[in-house]
Amino acid sequence: AQSVTQPDIHITVSEGASLELRCNYSYGATPYLFWYVQSPGQGLQLLLKYFSGDTLVQGIKGFEAEFKRSQSSFNLRKPSVHWSDAAEYFCAVGDTGTASKLTFGTGTRLQVTL
Amino acid sequence: DGGITQSPKYLFRKEGQNVTLSCEQNLNHDAMYWYRQDPGQGLRLIYYSQIVNDFQKGDIAEGYSVSREKKESFPLTVTSAQKNPTAFYLCASRKQDSTYGYTFGSGTRLTVV
Repeated sequence: AQSVTQPDIHITVSEGASLELRCNYSYGATPYLFWYVQSPGQGLQLLLKYFSGDTLVQGIKGFEAEFKRSQSSFNLRKPSVHWSDAAEYFCAVGDTGTASKLTFGTGTRLQVTL
Repeated sequence: DGGITQSPKYLFRKEGQNVTLSCEQNLNHDAMYWYRQDPGQGLRLIYYSQIVNDFQKGDIAEGYSVSREKKESFPLTVTSAQKNPTAFYLCASRKQDSTYGYTFGSGTRLTVV
């Protein structure tokens, strides 16, 4: 069965500092991978996704992620964090069947200090 | 504007009562999903539906029921058999193609007292 691990429950960074959120997945074939962001009490917004091709994926709000098959990882990065980036971030893996179900990690809460 | 609407945003119910959460989309999406979110546990799939009048259990379907009588609507009923119903519930929809364009609603927070 597919699974996603986000080892960091909570991360605090200073505004302007760089950010890397870790994500490791388990999936038998080439995975479909996603990063979502959630503000408190809200739904999820897609930041970026990887299906195939270039392993470095650009997303919205200045985020990027790199797919590393050898490490089963899909880490999210941002060169300079803004206070508005404070939120919860979820990594997800999608099955390649017709149901297209997503399996989510447990999330990483990002706090940004000024 | 097209979107997915969940109502109500907050819901309070007494223990032992059934409660139905609404999810409506006007995106002409084929598939719809219900997820439950608890602190520290991420999102877990309750039920999903790929076409009208058909739905499948997800990972934590016990104590829940759904219907899909219309393409636009996918209501979730939390029954009295659900042991820990207090949670944040998210509905999502998707067009049946290969691009995985999930759209999420803004969620319903259910509190059972």
